[in-house]
Amino acid sequence: EAEVAQSPRYKITEKSQAVAFWCDPISGHATLYWYRQILGQGPELLVQFQDESVVDDSQLPKDRFSAERLKGVDSTLKIQPAELGDSAMYLCASSLVRGQGAFFGQGTRLTVV
Amino acid sequence: RKEVEQDPGPFNVPEGATVAFNCTYSNSASQSFFWYRQDCRKEPKLLMSVYSSGNEDGRFTAQLNRASQYISLLIRDSKLSDSATYLCVALSGGYNKLIFGAGTRLAVHP
Repeated sequence: EAEVAQSPRYKITEKSQAVAFWCDPISGHATLYWYRQILGQGPELLVQFQDESVVDDSQLPKDRFSAERLKGVDSTLKIQPAELGDSAMYLCASSLVRGQGAFFGQGTRLTVV
Repeated sequence: RKEVEQDPGPFNVPEGATVAFNCTYSNSASQSFFWYRQDCRKEPKLLMSVYSSGNEDGRFTAQLNRASQYISLLIRDSKLSDSATYLCVALSGGYNKLIFGAGTRLAVHP
């Protein structure tokens, strides 16, 4: 069964350091999402791609976060500098057609110390 | 006000019970809705889509009430393995972003 791949699974970093997460969506899925989930809350959308284009980044803290999907396939989310409040699960999801339910990767659990 | 709101629970029910969750959404233009299941410290998994006519998948039934802007999920004959957090999702905006509620926790006990 096709899956969304994410790495790393876990990341511990010191505040003010840079950190990057990688996501490889299900093959052929044009829509890719990055979500952040704090324990006890629902996932919050950070950025949405349609192919290589960003179509929504309204909730992305652009002073420290950046995301790219250069060839419209895999994607990278970066945080620089990391802050203590960035500790969360970062989830990547993809969907075949915009408007369908999305499938999630296992996520990257980030701890900032 | 959040765009998708759910009762956080927890709902504590015995095995075999029927339990229902409701979810309200504020954007009347939302067209599609989903229920996801999330186990502790795992990723959300798509449980089912919610159609205007309602849909059923085994012990699970989802309903949509557009007039009152709420979605429901009914679980019949609850199993221990149904214990999880259930997330309500609405598609919103021109590019159909998925907006999640905070989730409802279900605990099924023997």
